[in-house]
Parts: sequence; C-alpha cells; structure tokens
Amino acid sequence: QVQLVESGGGVVQPGKSLRLSCAASGFTFSSYAMHWVRQAPGKGLEWVALISWDGTNTFYADSVKGRFTISRDISRSTLYLQLNSLRPEDTGVYFCAKDLSYGYFDYWAQGALVSVSS
Amino acid sequence: EIVMTQSPATLSVSPGERATLSCRASQSVSNKLAWYQHKPGQAPRLLIYAASARAAGIPARFSGSGSGTEFTLTISSLQSEDFAVYYCQQYDHWPPYTFGQGTKLEIK
Repeated sequence: QVQLVESGGGVVQPGKSLRLSCAASGFTFSSYAMHWVRQAPGKGLEWVALISWDGTNTFYADSVKGRFTISRDISRSTLYLQLNSLRPEDTGVYFCAKDLSYGYFDYWAQGALVSVSS
Repeated sequence: EIVMTQSPATLSVSPGERATLSCRASQSVSNKLAWYQHKPGQAPRLLIYAASARAAGIPARFSGSGSGTEFTLTISSLQSEDFAVYYCQQYDHWPPYTFGQGTKLEIK
C-alpha cells in the first residue's frame, strides 16, 4: 500500500533553515509528480510546491518562492523541501502528497510540524 | 489566481441525515475539482475528483456534482466517522493549486 512518511520538522528561529523529508513506498516514486501542502494553525490548506515526476520542473506558491526548494531523490524514493529564511508565518503542519494527473492529491502523509519562533 | 469559496463555514447535522456542502470558484474550473476530508492529526483523504468521480475505497454515500463555478458535495446519510473538515480544491488553472477555506461538519 502507498505510504508517505515525513521527518525533519521542529522549532527554528526566524531567518534560519530546515529540511523536510518524505519517504515514499508502495508505488513507483519515479513515475509521479509530488507536492508539498501546508496548514497554518487554525487555518485551511495551502499548496506550497510541486515537482515533476523526473524532477526537471518545479513550481512554487508566491509566498515561498525564492525561499523554499522542492527536490527529489529517485534512488531513495524520497521527496524533500528545503525551507530557508523562515518567517513566523511559515509555522504550520507540512504535508507531502502524491499527485495524480497534475491535479489532485490521492495520497497524503500525516504531516510534519514546523514552528518558527524566537 | 482562482479563489475558492466554501459555504457554510460550519454545518451542524444529525447522524443519519443528509449534508450538502457548497464550493464556488471565482472563474470556471471546468470539472477540475476535488474534495478532501480532513480530521485533526490525520492525513487529508481524497474523496472526489473530476467533480463527481469517487476515489478508490470511498463509500457510495459521498457524491459530488457541478461544473464551471458551482460545485456540491453531498453525504447522503451521515455516519459518526464523517464529522470532519471538508475542503474543495481546483486544479484547472495552476500554479497555484487553490483550496477553499473549508467547511466544518459537526454533530448536531
């Protein structure tokens, strides 16, 4: 069965960096685009970033463009999100999600908490 | 950017009754609309894609309808496990993919 397991969340000061990982299993990782989606405390879901199946194309929400980088390691079946220049408003739960048809998300991880605070 | 607006923000329904949730897009998204169920501390779950197609393993009491700018998620007979927050999401005009703000379905 499809499994997405995240790691790397934590508490970090404003301006610092963090890297989230998402280990995938149960499907051919190299065949599917992947996304990151986040949820600020008490708020709804916000799409963050997309990487194509082969890693050659990436897309970002304006709120994170230039600060976050999505990447993938096919050999490890792992998705990453590098979060730089973190701001308090980046606080929230970050979910990795498997894409279907460059559109909707058919499997999600349980989420990793990122807290940006001094 | 397409803005998705869900109504109502909170819906109180008794178990066994029908629930109807609405989602409106700021411009047409054709049928490129998905619905998700999200419970606290859990991964969101895909319910509906292409506006009306049920995802694998989703019970028949969940149904979606609509096209263009107006969409509806109907849960025909609410079970205890259905009380959660529901989000719609458009994937016609991206990036960005955009979600509605959510409808909280609570027990009456």
